[in-house]
Amino acid sequence: KAGVTQTPRYLIKTRGQQVTLSCSPISGHRSVSWYQQTPGQGLQFLFEYFSETQRNKGNFPGRFSGRQFSNSRSEMNVSTLELGDSALYLCASSWDRGEGYTFGSGTRLTVV
Amino acid sequence: QQQVKQSPQSLIVQKGGISIINCAYENTAFDYFPWYQQFPGKGPALLIAIRPDVSEKKEGRFTISFNKSAKQFSLHIMDSQPGDSATYFCAASNPGTYKYIFGTGTRLKVLA
Repeated sequence: KAGVTQTPRYLIKTRGQQVTLSCSPISGHRSVSWYQQTPGQGLQFLFEYFSETQRNKGNFPGRFSGRQFSNSRSEMNVSTLELGDSALYLCASSWDRGEGYTFGSGTRLTVV
Repeated sequence: QQQVKQSPQSLIVQKGGISIINCAYENTAFDYFPWYQQFPGKGPALLIAIRPDVSEKKEGRFTISFNKSAKQFSLHIMDSQPGDSATYFCAASNPGTYKYIFGTGTRLKVLA
């Protein structure tokens, strides 16, 4: 059974650019969440989607956005990149109940 | 009130010993408490989880002890092995929020 797949694994972007990260959940999982992981702030919740609807959003600026497609695949977008956006971005999927999330290996974003 | 406090920050244990990691929370609405294990370059992997109506849950060498009145829970790793060397995160979740509040992580090193 395939796990959560995140692409790309590594990304280097310049300040001011925008970036789109992709996540394919485990087959059958309809809830997809995104987290940002940094050494200073740890793991922080970005947002969660279910059936193409955002059900919850963390305390991040509007530059961070996401969406989910009808096949449950999800993307997150960060516009006007800042140096502080450098982080490991993790996607996680679950059946629905908001528990038992399985994480992908993440996308390592470096902003220079 | 949304914080989950995790200790210690780092832990060194001899092979065969018991590793103990503690977490404390304030929000009594939390109803799901998972533990995740993360190796370098990988996403967090779910180890074991517990609900407040159970005081202890064991899966193999991993045990969660839960003290509802003290608002504390802990992970015990019995017969610790060098392969257990990783970073461990506790987390908590409110029902219907579909997000985890993570602890700050404990870096465990098991000496051979």
